[in-house]
Amino acid sequence: NAGVTQTPKFRVLKTGQSMTLLCAQDMNHEYMYWYRQDPGMGLRLIHYSVGEGTTAKGEVPDGYNVSRLKKQNFLLGLESAAPSQTSVYFCASTRWSWRANSPLHFGNGTRLTVT
Amino acid sequence: KNEVEQSPQNLTAQEGEFITINCSYSVGISALHWLQQHPGGGIVSLFMLSSGKKKHGRLIATINIQEKHSSLHITASHPRDSAVYICAVRSDGGSQGNLIFGKGTKLSVKP
Repeated sequence: NAGVTQTPKFRVLKTGQSMTLLCAQDMNHEYMYWYRQDPGMGLRLIHYSVGEGTTAKGEVPDGYNVSRLKKQNFLLGLESAAPSQTSVYFCASTRWSWRANSPLHFGNGTRLTVT
Repeated sequence: KNEVEQSPQNLTAQEGEFITINCSYSVGISALHWLQQHPGGGIVSLFMLSSGKKKHGRLIATINIQEKHSSLHITASHPRDSAVYICAVRSDGGSQGNLIFGKGTKLSVKP
């Protein structure tokens, strides 16, 4: 089973460039999330989706956009990258958000550097 | 004050030792997760619990809802247990999207 797959694994951007991070899951999960992880801080939620065609803002959404056109894919876009967006990005998915037996499945992360 | 506090921040142990990592939170929750992040960066879900105790191999997770506290225990620790352990809670008053994460406990087990 592939689980949650993130692409790319690494990327270096110049300030002002754009890019899209792809998250794909093959577990038929409804809920998908994008997080960023910075040194000395806990994971922070950027955007999330509770089903195909839906998206919602998380804790730190500024500078990012997302789309969930297909249930299995959740895309994170940076329209004009800034050095403050240098981070490690994780995608996660889960079947139900409120059930006690619904663990999170994470991708392996994307390390993004903006110069 | 962070809503999810983990202690200790860093922990070094000798192989074979019994290890405890603590997580305290200040909000009402519907579930608590323990996650493991290996040096390579990948994050794996260890436990998700809303009451009582769960055990998987050498790992045991407990939660006390009244005291707003959870512990992760590792028995007979091994160098391969070296990782960052992360506690996260799903607030019962929050949106369906939001987990609140602790900053993690970095565990190093020496042979």
